[in-house]
Amino acid sequence: QVTLKESGPALVQPTQTLTLTCTLSGLSLTSSGVRLSWIRQPPGKAPEWLARIGWDDDKFYSKSLKTRLTISKDTSKNQVVLTMTNVDPVDTATYYCARDDRLTDAFDVWGQGTIVTVSS
Amino acid sequence: IVLTQSPGTLSLSPGERATLSCRASQSVSSSYLAWYQQKPGQAPRLLIYGASSRATGTPDRFSGSGSGTDFTLTISRLEPEDFAVYYCQQYASSPTFGQGTKVEIK
Repeated sequence: QVTLKESGPALVQPTQTLTLTCTLSGLSLTSSGVRLSWIRQPPGKAPEWLARIGWDDDKFYSKSLKTRLTISKDTSKNQVVLTMTNVDPVDTATYYCARDDRLTDAFDVWGQGTIVTVSS
Repeated sequence: IVLTQSPGTLSLSPGERATLSCRASQSVSSSYLAWYQQKPGQAPRLLIYGASSRATGTPDRFSGSGSGTDFTLTISRLEPEDFAVYYCQQYASSPTFGQGTKVEIK
């Protein structure tokens, strides 16, 4: 059974850097074809895709947020990390990691999400 | 690619048929159109991928159709657990989601 769990700070001050971690179980980041994405959802709004990383370290970013995002993986810990620089209150959202299935081109497994509030 | 869902809210009774629309700003390959269900406090759940293929565990009362720029999610007979928000999503280019349709109890 594949499970994903997000972790990170609940509160971040404006202009700071946000670091989020997604820990995978039942799925290895080194397995061919594995891709993980980060997706966020502001309160009461639709999800917004942020970034993706593949088993081969191929990376893909949202054009609108590309300059602020870095996605990476730690295969020894089976974790995917997302950093977002210079956060603003509009970045307040629930942040999810999701498996990005190459066969279906859809997000078929989601973590429970972690709520991040940007406020001073 | 911008996805526009309609209606914003659908008020129906259990047992009724629900028809949800998703329109894309440019043509999307059917292979790259998915539908998700989201309940309060939960992550979205994949229902349909490839425009018409049901994901594992999706009941057969859910069906997807469409091509090009117009896609539809149909729930043949609403069950109490189907009242939720539904999102379409495309993966033809940088992934995007529609703004959602809320299916509420009338």
